[in-house]
Amino acid sequence: AQSVTQLGSHVSVSEGALVLLRCNYSSSVPPYLFWYVQYPNQGLQLLLKYTTGATLVKGINGFEAEFKKSETSFHLTKPSAHMSDAAEYFCAVSLSSNTGKLIFGQGTTLQVKP
Amino acid sequence: DAGVIQSPRHEVTEMGQEVTLRCKPISGHNSLFWYRQTMMRGLELLIYFNNNVPIDDSGMPEDRFSAKMPNASFSTLKIQPSEPRDSAVYFCASSRSGLILSDTQYFGPGTRLTVL
Repeated sequence: AQSVTQLGSHVSVSEGALVLLRCNYSSSVPPYLFWYVQYPNQGLQLLLKYTTGATLVKGINGFEAEFKKSETSFHLTKPSAHMSDAAEYFCAVSLSSNTGKLIFGQGTTLQVKP
Repeated sequence: DAGVIQSPRHEVTEMGQEVTLRCKPISGHNSLFWYRQTMMRGLELLIYFNNNVPIDDSGMPEDRFSAKMPNASFSTLKIQPSEPRDSAVYFCASSRSGLILSDTQYFGPGTRLTVL
């Protein structure tokens, strides 16, 4: 069965510092991977997704993630944190290419300190 | 576009009562998903529909939960009878066709359910 693990339920960074949110997956077949962001009292919003092709994926708000098959990882990064980045971030994996079923990680809350 | 619309945004009810959550997907989207979010279990897919037909309901916790999609613009998730452990935020999401390669799931703002 496919699953996704997010390392660290809470991450705190200073404004302007590098953001690194970790995600590892288990999959017996090439996965499709996603990062979503959830701002307080809102629904989830897609940041970026990896399906095929280039392993470095750029998303909205300056975020990017790199698919590393050898490490079964899909870590999310942003060079310089902004106060508005404070939110909860979810990594997700799909079960197959022709269904809408996503499996989400437990989420990582990002705190940005001034 | 108005996005995915959910109602009510907040619901407080007593154990044993029937609860109905409503969702209006984005116009033109053919797939609809119901998720539940709790601190203990995170975000779980309950059921999803494609072209108004339930495709996978394996995430529905038990018979107390039921979901319908009578037409392309409306879906309900019903809990009867409700229990305190059903307290959670319930999200509805929609996508154009449900194909992961090309589609994004757009989430509604959620319904926060509290069962006393």
